[in-house]
Amino acid sequence: GEDVEQSLFLSVREGDSSVINCTYTDSSSTYLYWYKQEPGAGLQLLTYIFSNMDMKQDQRLTVLLNKKDKHLSLRIADTQTGDSAIYFCAENGSYKLIFGSGTRLLVRP
Amino acid sequence: DTAVSQTPKYLVTQMGNDKSIKCEQNLGHDTMYWYKQDSKKFLKIMFSYNNKELIINETVPNRFSPKSPDKAHLNLHINSLELGDSAVYFCASRQGSTEAFFGQGTRLTVV
Repeated sequence: GEDVEQSLFLSVREGDSSVINCTYTDSSSTYLYWYKQEPGAGLQLLTYIFSNMDMKQDQRLTVLLNKKDKHLSLRIADTQTGDSAIYFCAENGSYKLIFGSGTRLLVRP
Repeated sequence: DTAVSQTPKYLVTQMGNDKSIKCEQNLGHDTMYWYKQDSKKFLKIMFSYNNKELIINETVPNRFSPKSPDKAHLNLHINSLELGDSAVYFCASRQGSTEAFFGQGTRLTVV
């Protein structure tokens, strides 16, 4: 079945690292994505990883992929108040993106 | 230039009315989508179109009728609106397996 799962809520202090986790179901997904949604806005692609990679780093963002466990994580280093948003992981389905439930990240000053 | 634009941004209407939401993309993408985001922020695919042809209809009531007059447009018409249709509707477009670009959303409130 199609079920991408994420924890619903994460609270961190400004300057700490945040780690958002995701489990997906389709081992044939070629790409896995992280999207960010700020209040009242649409979804914005943060980063993505190709399925033959284990890790991808992009400035403060690090994506780790464990294909065996179908586990994806997003680490945000030096989290800022502007990072407060909902983060969605998504896997590539047939003619669609399948989204997780979203993790609401709250950054405390 | 906005890549994926939807109109209107807000829509408040009474139960039983018929309404449309328009979507246009200027990216030259072949695939367009409608997603529904409920009050808990869950995002569910409603429709997927590829080159103006319907590919996916995820058990959406037939009160919802998408129309794609050309590759750049995917409009959503909703008949006999119900309270449960209140949500944010997102249009998106994509080329192959690349990233999907989303519109800003249309917040529909049925009263």
